[in-house]
Amino acid sequence: RKEVEQDPGPFNVPEGATVAFNCTYSNSASQSFFWYRQDCRKEPKLLMSVYSSGNEDGRFTAQLNRASQYISLLIRDSKLSDSATYLCVVARSGGYNKLIFGAGTRLAVHP
Amino acid sequence: GAGVSQSPSNKVTEKGKDVELRCDPISGHTALYWYRQRLGQGLEFLIYFQGNSAPDKSGLPSDRFSAERTGESVSTLTIQRTQQEDSAVYLCASRGGVRNTEAFFGQGTRLTVV
Repeated sequence: RKEVEQDPGPFNVPEGATVAFNCTYSNSASQSFFWYRQDCRKEPKLLMSVYSSGNEDGRFTAQLNRASQYISLLIRDSKLSDSATYLCVVARSGGYNKLIFGAGTRLAVHP
Repeated sequence: GAGVSQSPSNKVTEKGKDVELRCDPISGHTALYWYRQRLGQGLEFLIYFQGNSAPDKSGLPSDRFSAERTGESVSTLTIQRTQQEDSAVYLCASRGGVRNTEAFFGQGTRLTVV
């Protein structure tokens, strides 16, 4: 079993739709959580960190459920420019936290 | 520098040759990661350096792959006797030592083995 698992998609949605991505992790001692975005043929970049209480940044909302070892990302009012691969990232506990990346979920927003 | 720098940006090599890829992390970042990404695939962890600790080499796919880093400076990833399946983008990332900080990626080296 992979340490971080994501639905690979692709998710094909129309502009304006709300879409949700899920991610599960297997190491219960994981301490830090992130969502990264990767555009085609580009390097991954941080979209947002995920905090225990949940957090929102404009149209993006991230949630963490430690009991179920589950992270989610909700995108409201999808834009064409949201088309990308979304990577769930978990940092293991201890010291300086090695980062483990999920394989990513591909999102395609169409007119 | 302002960001993570990788060189070369593109490398075409003949099967069986050795290649060396370079990563200059953000100054002061103690953690450095190498990942491989094949076309249309996710990131595959290769190796992780943290300060002066022994590196985590658990992701290296074979003994043809090795990496070095001196202190908190430049890292090199070496692939010996390259094979066609080594063709991929090799991404380097660095991260500060404080928990919950983000990792910053370089633009990658696109390796093509012909």
